[in-house]
Amino acid sequence: AQKVTQAQTEISVVEKEDVTLDCVYETRDTTYYLFWYKQPPSGELVFLIRRNSFDEQNEISGRYSWNFQKSTSSFNFTITASQVVDSAVYFCALKGGSGAGSYQLTFGKGTKLSVIP
Amino acid sequence: DTGVSQDPRHKITKRGQNVTFRCDPISEHNRLYWYRQTLGQGPEFLTYFQNEAQLEKSRLLSDRFSAERPKGSFSTLEIQRTEQGDSAMYLCASSLIIEGDGYTFGSGTRLTVV
Repeated sequence: AQKVTQAQTEISVVEKEDVTLDCVYETRDTTYYLFWYKQPPSGELVFLIRRNSFDEQNEISGRYSWNFQKSTSSFNFTITASQVVDSAVYFCALKGGSGAGSYQLTFGKGTKLSVIP
Repeated sequence: DTGVSQDPRHKITKRGQNVTFRCDPISEHNRLYWYRQTLGQGPEFLTYFQNEAQLEKSRLLSDRFSAERPKGSFSTLEIQRTEQGDSAMYLCASSLIIEGDGYTFGSGTRLTVV
């Protein structure tokens, strides 16, 4: 069975602060894929990033960065110099590389980020 | 092609009524998925299609739920005899048949059963 845990239910930060959203996953697959999605109040899930299990290189995209560590089964997401527009619910998700789990995303419960001006 | 479209955006229905939602995926995407999201939770998988074939259904999909994807294009999700517990956001997504391909989600249909 696959599982994604986002222990932080809600986080509030003041604008321009850095914030890290935690994600811990469980899977028995040797090949798997990890995702982060943003869900603004409008409801649409916006794709942010995908990583496969063989690529542990950290990634930076503008103010966003991701730290993937297989040793701790974590895929954490950091927003640098947060802005009010970053306020949303962020979901971490996992997809297996083969078999029954290879077509469905398993989501965590999400972390609601509020950036206060 | 502007993405995944879902219709309606909101639906309020009385308990016991039937409702139907529509999803139009990205045209070149072979796979289409339905997810359900309740308040404070992440989306949960309901079912998926590869072209017109429905290949998997979650145990969450009771016999009151039925989904179709005629001709492998748009899809409909019908809920019969709605119950208050069906109130949720119903999300549709599509993807290519590529291992590890990400999904593109629609804006969802928010169902409220009163």
